[in-house]
Amino acid sequence: DVKVTQSSRYLVKRTGEKVFLECVQDMDHENMFWYRQDPGLGLRLIYFSYDVKMKEKGDIPEGYSVSREKKERFSLILESASTNQTSMYLCASSFVIGPGQGSSTDTQYFGPGTRLTVL
Amino acid sequence: RKEVEQDPGPFNVPEGATVAFNCTYSNSASQSFFWYRQDCRKEPKLLMSVYSSGNEDGRFTAQLNRASQYISLLIRDSKLSDSATYLCVADTGFQKLVFGTGTRLLVSP
Repeated sequence: DVKVTQSSRYLVKRTGEKVFLECVQDMDHENMFWYRQDPGLGLRLIYFSYDVKMKEKGDIPEGYSVSREKKERFSLILESASTNQTSMYLCASSFVIGPGQGSSTDTQYFGPGTRLTVL
Repeated sequence: RKEVEQDPGPFNVPEGATVAFNCTYSNSASQSFFWYRQDCRKEPKLLMSVYSSGNEDGRFTAQLNRASQYISLLIRDSKLSDSATYLCVADTGFQKLVFGTGTRLLVSP
């Protein structure tokens, strides 16, 4: 079974703090993704990575950065947390179908999510 | 306009009913489509992929209409355990999935 784990289920931070969210997958997937999910807005892609040390901006990258030093681990960093970053953060991973950056993804497997509250 | 649009519901149906959800997408370049299921306070999980010829898996049938750019999900003989939010998803290529906001289904005894 594919397993995607996230470092925390619940996290409370203060405005201005630097926040690290970690995600680990055990299926040797090339792709890893960070989403946030908000009521009425659905899942929105923040960043994704298709290989170690490679990253691409998603739809809402502002205020976030990522790090992928190892294939199994993808970290999301909030450089200076703000209240509008209070959300559910979901990590996902998948294989790539076909070569190159333009390929379609295989099924995405999600971690359990981290509910982040910024006070 | 959102790239993937769904009726948020909720759809309230009795056990045993048949229920259908539609979803429209705006990017005609989208190649693949999926339905994910998300239970309350849980992560999304793949329910089924949507193939151009339609796809059936037990009580669930998914269909794709490229000309009208919509995807449907039909659930027959609804069970209480089918209560969840169903997310319509389009693969726009370049390893990006676009998620709809979800349709909530409530199945009652």
